[in-house]
Amino acid sequence: QVQLVQSGAEMKKPGASVKVSCKASGYTFVNYGISWVRQAPGQGLQWMGWISAYSGNTNYALNLQDRVTMTTDTSTNTVYMELRSLRPDDTGVYYCARGSITRTIDYWGQGTLVIVSS
Amino acid sequence: QSALTQPPSASGSLGQSVTISCTGTRNDVGGYNFVSWYQQYPGKAPKLLIYEVTKRPSGVPDRFSGSKSGNTASLTVAGLQAEDEADYYCSSYAGSQGAFGGGTRLTVL
Repeated sequence: QVQLVQSGAEMKKPGASVKVSCKASGYTFVNYGISWVRQAPGQGLQWMGWISAYSGNTNYALNLQDRVTMTTDTSTNTVYMELRSLRPDDTGVYYCARGSITRTIDYWGQGTLVIVSS
Repeated sequence: QSALTQPPSASGSLGQSVTISCTGTRNDVGGYNFVSWYQQYPGKAPKLLIYEVTKRPSGVPDRFSGSKSGNTASLTVAGLQAEDEADYYCSSYAGSQGAFGGGTRLTVL
């Protein structure tokens, strides 16, 4: 069965960086992309970007493109999302999800809590 | 501010139907047939209910249906059940971008 397993919770200080991993299994990794979606406490879902597991091509949300980098490692079926220059309003749960280029997301990871606080 | 506009809340009685709207622009909802709907319970990851405007993944009850007219997509939940009480989000392809609605809290009375 399709599984996306994310790395554990992180606590960071403002200005630092965080790198969240997402290991995929149960399907042919390079046939799909991975989307990243975040959710601030008590708030809605925010699309962060998408990476093709096959080519590594990326689309980033315009409001994050200067601070986010998504990469893929096909040898371990793992995708990484790094967010730099963290601010307190980056606090939230970060989800990786199997996503098509049309932005349909059919399987979600368990989420990774990132807390940014001094 | 979310790219797509949803009503913050909706409600209906057990057994009734409720429709949730999702309004975008011709650059997202109106321009492509790639609208999805997700259900989310508190503390859980979202679940895909509808994709490509009207399609249901296997396992999703046919009580859930989607449609689109112009720049507005809609999710209809028929025969409301207690377990339908959750948050619902729409999403759309928007070229190089993606977009979610702000979410709708559905209350089953």
